[in-house]
Amino acid sequence: AQSVTQPDIHITVSEGASLELRCNYSYGATPYLFWYVQSPGQGLQLLLKYFSGDTLVQGIKGFEAEFKRSQSSFNLRKPSVHWSDAAEYFCAVVLNNNDMRFGAGTRLTVKP
Amino acid sequence: KAGVTQTPRYLIKTRGQQVTLSCSPISGHRSVSWYQQTPGQGLQFLFEYFSETQRNKGNFPGRFSGRQFSNSRSEMNVSTLELGDSALYLCASRVKSGRGADTQYFGPGTRLTVL
Repeated sequence: AQSVTQPDIHITVSEGASLELRCNYSYGATPYLFWYVQSPGQGLQLLLKYFSGDTLVQGIKGFEAEFKRSQSSFNLRKPSVHWSDAAEYFCAVVLNNNDMRFGAGTRLTVKP
Repeated sequence: KAGVTQTPRYLIKTRGQQVTLSCSPISGHRSVSWYQQTPGQGLQFLFEYFSETQRNKGNFPGRFSGRQFSNSRSEMNVSTLELGDSALYLCASRVKSGRGADTQYFGPGTRLTVL
């Protein structure tokens, strides 16, 4: 079945530490890939997206993500986490029919 | 430019009632999509409207319906509410349908509680 998997439900990192959030997809072709962030009680804000070209994409707030076709992955990274990064992060894919599918989300807690 | 707006932000209803949620897209955006977010099921696609026509539909019962007006504003209706309909309903807009790479911009959501 076609799916988007975020293996980590909850991650805790210390402020200033590096972060990597995992995302894997299972589709026949390369979909359009997105990362969104959601703060409590808020909607989703786009961090970055990938649909072709350079496999390392830069986003807002110092985030980047790397598309690896061989691993069907699109992991999100940040070299140094800030307390304000605490939120829930969603990986999403868009298929040819424009249907956007989301992963289950990863909740990030930042320790002082 | 103003972002996607949704009204009301919070709503409490009882089982069996119906509810209408409203979404105003970003100016110039003609595609509006609706999503349901619950702790158990996560984010699920409900439907997409473009040029007043439903273009795509998720796997939800017929109690969930929507429409889009000529100014691209959209409404979502849920009839005969069930406890399981309690959720955050998110609206997203983009310039047009048919291009998967177009970014969807999300509103803050309407929190619906069914008692």
